[in-house]
Amino acid sequence: QVQLQQSGAELAKPGTSVKLSCKASGYTFTSYYIYWVKQRPGQGLEWIGYIHPGNGGTYYSEKFKGKATFTADTSSSTAYMLLGSLTPEDSAYYFCARPLITTFFDYWGQGVMVTVSS
Amino acid sequence: DIQMTQSPASLSASLGETVTIECRASEDIYSNLAWYQQKPGNSPQLLIYDANSLADGVPSRFSGSGSGTQYSLKINSLQSEDVASYFCQQYNNYHTFGAGTKLELK
Repeated sequence: QVQLQQSGAELAKPGTSVKLSCKASGYTFTSYYIYWVKQRPGQGLEWIGYIHPGNGGTYYSEKFKGKATFTADTSSSTAYMLLGSLTPEDSAYYFCARPLITTFFDYWGQGVMVTVSS
Repeated sequence: DIQMTQSPASLSASLGETVTIECRASEDIYSNLAWYQQKPGNSPQLLIYDANSLADGVPSRFSGSGSGTQYSLKINSLQSEDVASYFCQQYNNYHTFGAGTKLELK
């Protein structure tokens, strides 16, 4: 069955970076996009962008350009998101999700909490 | 960018009641709309796609309708396990989520 397994919680200092991982299983990793979504505690969902592991193509929503960088390792079926220049506003849950083509998300990772604090 | 206005922000209902949540898009999204359920501490789960198609394994008491800019999610015969937050998402032009509706039991 399709699974997206995310890395554990992160505690980081302002100005530093964190690299989150999302390991896919149960399907052909290179055939589907992986999206990343942000959710601040008790709030709504924000789409960050996506990577297509098959060709390495990426797209970032305007708000997250320069903040997030996506990569993928096809040998381990793992997608990564690097979040840089962290501020307290980056403290949130981050989910990876797999859409049907580029539409709705039928599979989600369990989410990872990133806390930015000095 | 397409804006999604979801209402109400919170909702309190009794077991067995029918509840309706609405989303309005800032432009026509041609039924490219999904609904998700999110329980505390969990990731969102797909309920409805293409405005009115039930995702696999989702109980039939959930239904979606709408077209153009106006969409709704209806839950018939509310069950205790339906207590959750609900989000709409448009995927006609990239992606935008509604702000969410928190559903509680009265």
